[in-house]
Amino acid sequence: KAGVTQTPRYLIKTRGQQVTLSCSPISGHRSVSWYQQTPGQGLQFLFEYFSETQRNKGNFPGRFSGRQFSNSRSEMNVSTLELGDSALYLCASSFGNSGNEKLFFGSGTQLSVL
Amino acid sequence: GESVGLHLPTLSVQEGDNSIINCAYSNSASDYFIWYKQESGKGPQFIIDIRSNMDKRQGQRVTVLLNKTVKHLSLQIAATQPGDSAVYFCAENRGGGSYIPTFGRGTSLIVHP
Repeated sequence: KAGVTQTPRYLIKTRGQQVTLSCSPISGHRSVSWYQQTPGQGLQFLFEYFSETQRNKGNFPGRFSGRQFSNSRSEMNVSTLELGDSALYLCASSFGNSGNEKLFFGSGTQLSVL
Repeated sequence: GESVGLHLPTLSVQEGDNSIINCAYSNSASDYFIWYKQESGKGPQFIIDIRSNMDKRQGQRVTVLLNKTVKHLSLQIAATQPGDSAVYFCAENRGGGSYIPTFGRGTSLIVHP
């Protein structure tokens, strides 16, 4: 069974640009969550999608957005990039049917904003 | 405020020793706890979980202990190996239908051969 796949693995952008990250969950998983990981802040929750709907949202500005497709694949977009957006962006999937489920993480997309 | 935190940011042990990584949580309504391991260049991987109706759960070389009285969670790794070197995160689900776990800041475990 294939794991969670995130593309691209690395990205370098400049301030003001926008970026789109992609996540393919484990087959059968309907919940996809996105996290931002930085050395100083640890794992910060961005948002969660379930059955194409945003079900939960973290405390990030509107420049961060996402969506989920009918096949459960998800994308997140960051517009007007800032230096502080440099981070590892992790995607995690689960069945999403209860709160007591473990998450399966991808290897992440390392975003560097210059 | 409510938080999941770790007592030690870095733990150094010798190969073969037992390791104990600690985690404090503040929400007594949390009903599900998970430990994840993150190796360099990878995403976090599930290690072991425990529900609030249990005090202890054992896996292969790992044991999680839950003390609800003092809101404390620990991960014990027996016979620590160099391959156990990683950052370990505890996470709590706060019940009430919440699907989103809250992660602690992580503890870096360094195993010296």
